Amino acid sequence: GDSVTQMEGPVTLSEEACLTINCTYTATGYPSLFWYVQYPGEGLQLLLKATKADDKGSNKGFEATYRKETTSFHLEKGSVQVSDSAVYFCALHTGFQKLVFGTGTRLLVSP
Amino acid sequence: EAQVTQNPRYLITVTGKKLTVTCSQNMNHEYMSWYRQDPGLGLRQIYYSMNVEVTDKGDVPEGYKVSRKEKRNFPLILESPSPNQTSLYFCASSLLGQGNYGYTFGSGTRLTVV
Repeated sequence: GDSVTQMEGPVTLSEEACLTINCTYTATGYPSLFWYVQYPGEGLQLLLKATKADDKGSNKGFEATYRKETTSFHLEKGSVQVSDSAVYFCALHTGFQKLVFGTGTRLLVSP
Repeated sequence: EAQVTQNPRYLITVTGKKLTVTCSQNMNHEYMSWYRQDPGLGLRQIYYSMNVEVTDKGDVPEGYKVSRKEKRNFPLILESPSPNQTSLYFCASSLLGQGNYGYTFGSGTRLTVV
């Protein structure tokens, strides 16, 4: 079945460091891909998305490119801030009206 | 403001005592779904609904019931809660056929069953 694999955390960085959180997927057909963010004590917010191969999603300085050849959707940011500390979920949407999530990666950014 | 509202935010209950977690959306979305979030497992789908009176099982439906009598509401019912249902629960919604643009999530309900 469809699945998402993302790197285990926590990822610990200093402020202004570069961030990459790896995400790969397995899916039949052509899924849409997402990154959701969960700040402490809050629900999930859509961070960015890409609906077809080679699309780049971007928001709040974060970017991810839909790579069909490597079935990947890695999340990147050039300079993280303390306020970026959160749990990040990679997800795909299948034609069966379901979001399939990865296990989440906790990011901790220190001043 | 467009939103999905869940209640309660926190709930502690005892084994076997029936409970209902409510979910309401004000966006006229046809599709609604319940997920549970557990450490190391991510979010897993419990039940979903394509429209009023249309519901179906997700990946982990055992021990849960849902109903969809009105378009805006999609309550999650635990008839006899057990400690393994201690979890963080999220309700989500989208326009039918538009899920590839993302879902709107509620703020979550943290349930503890003792």
